Amino acid sequence: DAKTTQPNSMESNEEEPVHLPCNHSTISGTDYIHWYRQLPSQGPEYVIHGLTSNVNNRMASLAIAEDRKSSTLILHRATLRDAAVYYCILLTNFGNEKLTFGTGTRLTIIP
Amino acid sequence: NAGVTQTPKFQVLKTGQSMTLQCAQDMNHEYMSWYRQDPGMGLRLIHYSVGAGITDQGEVPNGYNVSRSTTEDFPLRLLSAAPSQTSVYFCASSRNRGAGNSPLHFGNGTRLTVT
Repeated sequence: DAKTTQPNSMESNEEEPVHLPCNHSTISGTDYIHWYRQLPSQGPEYVIHGLTSNVNNRMASLAIAEDRKSSTLILHRATLRDAAVYYCILLTNFGNEKLTFGTGTRLTIIP
Repeated sequence: NAGVTQTPKFQVLKTGQSMTLQCAQDMNHEYMSWYRQDPGMGLRLIHYSVGAGITDQGEVPNGYNVSRSTTEDFPLRLLSAAPSQTSVYFCASSRNRGAGNSPLHFGNGTRLTVT
């Protein structure tokens, strides 16, 4: 099953862009790349997902490498409310029985 | 729009007791799933369902049972609680049965302690 690898932690200054990397070198053609974030004592919150092309929404942008073996979540202007654990996971339409979230990247925003 | 609702928020059990964690969604989602999150760790999939009447095992199914008699509800049953089942449990749903091309919507969790 395809797994993802993320740095354990990152720091960024408030109001600056943040680039959160994710490696998924064993991704298959049917895997969608999803990003979620989790605030303390809350359930994970959907951020963005994509298959092959870069994606933008009101929360963030997702940049997907041409070979799809890595992706980057981009927060364009970090705020203190963006401090959370960010998870990159792979989801398929054909069964996700081995789905795990890993430990994610803990993002700290410096005022 | 309530989304995914989990009850109770907190529960303390003694070893050997049984209980059911409730999960309900009002979005007519086909895919529903249960996860556990242990301290300092990510979420691990316990069981999932791609529609009413269909359930399957995830990565860590032992000690847990599920059923899906309606689209809306996906309860998780602990038949005989053990201290190793102390964890925070999250339920999630997704519009599409395959869950690949639609977001997962999570509840706010049930914090379970087994003594």
